[in-house]
Amino acid sequence: QSVLTQPPSVSGAPGQGVTISCTGSSSNIGAGNDVHWYQQLPGTAPKLLIYGNTNRPSGVPDRFSGSRSGTSAYLAITGLQAEDEADYYCQSFDRYLSRSGVFGGGTKLTVL
Amino acid sequence: EVQLAQSGAEVKKPGESLKISCKGSGYSFITYWIAWVRQMPGKGLEWMGMIWPGDSDTRYSPSFQGQVTISADKSISTAYLQWSSLKASDTAMYYCARQGSHGMEVWGQGTTVSVSS
Repeated sequence: QSVLTQPPSVSGAPGQGVTISCTGSSSNIGAGNDVHWYQQLPGTAPKLLIYGNTNRPSGVPDRFSGSRSGTSAYLAITGLQAEDEADYYCQSFDRYLSRSGVFGGGTKLTVL
Repeated sequence: EVQLAQSGAEVKKPGESLKISCKGSGYSFITYWIAWVRQMPGKGLEWMGMIWPGDSDTRYSPSFQGQVTISADKSISTAYLQWSSLKASDTAMYYCARQGSHGMEVWGQGTTVSVSS
């Protein structure tokens, strides 16, 4: 059971958009701790996709965007492409769990 | 280029000890946290703990406290993850990553650990 809750899977057709939610609590996202998002393609190390809730590292397409509201964060992907098919994880810190990091359980994105 | 280079794959027996490494290059190693992340076969990412190589300040996830030891040798820009007595359930891919205010910006390539009798 992950501290941050994500839907196990989402799907969309090429060109469409999807949103992945990441629900936490008052001790992590709700406490104002930043949320970061990672993309993991099959057989590869994760890659930072969004940092600090809304910021894209250099090289990440603007089709990817992040937001946060209350105890939840969201990753939106527009204009889906086949290469977006991957696992997506949110990550934050929790002030009660020894100030340790926490991940969401991950969401598998399928591009139909 | 900023890089984290991890040690190679390990095959061990239950009860054996193990220490895997993560060497940083291309940046000031002592000014970023190094985190360790476990990914069991077919499962998601789990945050294990992190270390500040400058003074070896270490934080552990409660799930991993007492199960592993994280250390660092700043003189050779290397962080370590070690087990004193491996279990079959330690079989996983282990990643190190540079953890900062901008998230885990840099990742190692991963080290596969297989534990089987």
